[in-house]
Amino acid sequence: ETGVTQTPRHLVMGMTNKKSLKCEQHLGHNAMYWYKQSAKKPLELMFVYNFKEQTENNSVPSRFSPECPNSSHLFLHLHTLQPEDSALYLCASSQEKTRHINEKLFFGSGTQLSVL
Amino acid sequence: TQLLEQSPQFLSIQEGENLTVYCNSSSVFSSLQWYRQEPGEGPVLLVTVVTGGEVKKLKRLTFQFGDARKDSSLHITAAQPGDTGLYLCAGGSQGNLIFGKGTKLSVKP
Repeated sequence: ETGVTQTPRHLVMGMTNKKSLKCEQHLGHNAMYWYKQSAKKPLELMFVYNFKEQTENNSVPSRFSPECPNSSHLFLHLHTLQPEDSALYLCASSQEKTRHINEKLFFGSGTQLSVL
Repeated sequence: TQLLEQSPQFLSIQEGENLTVYCNSSSVFSSLQWYRQEPGEGPVLLVTVVTGGEVKKLKRLTFQFGDARKDSSLHITAAQPGDTGLYLCAGGSQGNLIFGKGTKLSVKP
C-alpha cells in the first residue's frame, strides 16, 4: 500500500464512450501526476499538477482531459479514445513538483485500459 | 532528446545467481532513481543516487552512479524469486524524470 489509490483497476471501453479514471492520495502531498505505460515504451509523463495548478501538459491529445479539484484527488477524463491509447495509466504523487527528482514518487497500482 | 537505455531488456536466471543490469545515457543527470514494478502494481522506489561515483547498498542490492553521472548499474547478489519484476531507472533533469524502458527480471526457484 503506497498511499495512492486508483480506480478502476481495469477498464474496457469503446471508442465512442466517455469514462473517467480516479486517483486519490492520502500522503499530504502537493504534486500529482498522470503517466502512461505502454508495452515496449518508457513511462510517459502526461500531466502534472502542483498545488492544484496544472504545470505540465506533455503534448497530450485533447481526448485526455485532467482535473484536479484539490491536492488529494486527480481525475483523467477520457472520450473518443483510439485503440492505440490502450495502456496502463499510472497516477503518482510527491511532496512538491520542484523537488520530486530527488524525492520519492509514490505510484498507484494503475488502471489497465483497453480501448476496443 | 534525453534517453535512458536499459540492458538487458529481459533476464531469466535461477535462484542464487548474481546479476547486473545497466542504465546508460549520453546525457548527464542530476540524480538517478531505481524503481521495481511487480506485475499488476505501480513502480516502487528502491534508491536515489545523486553524486557521481556514489554506491548505495540495500540488503542484496548494490546501486552505483557513474562518475560522469551518465550511467548507473544495479547488482543483485544471490537472487531470489521475490526479486522478480520490472526494474526501471529514471534520470532527473531540468525538473523532470526521464524513464528507461526497464529490465524485466525473472528469478526461477
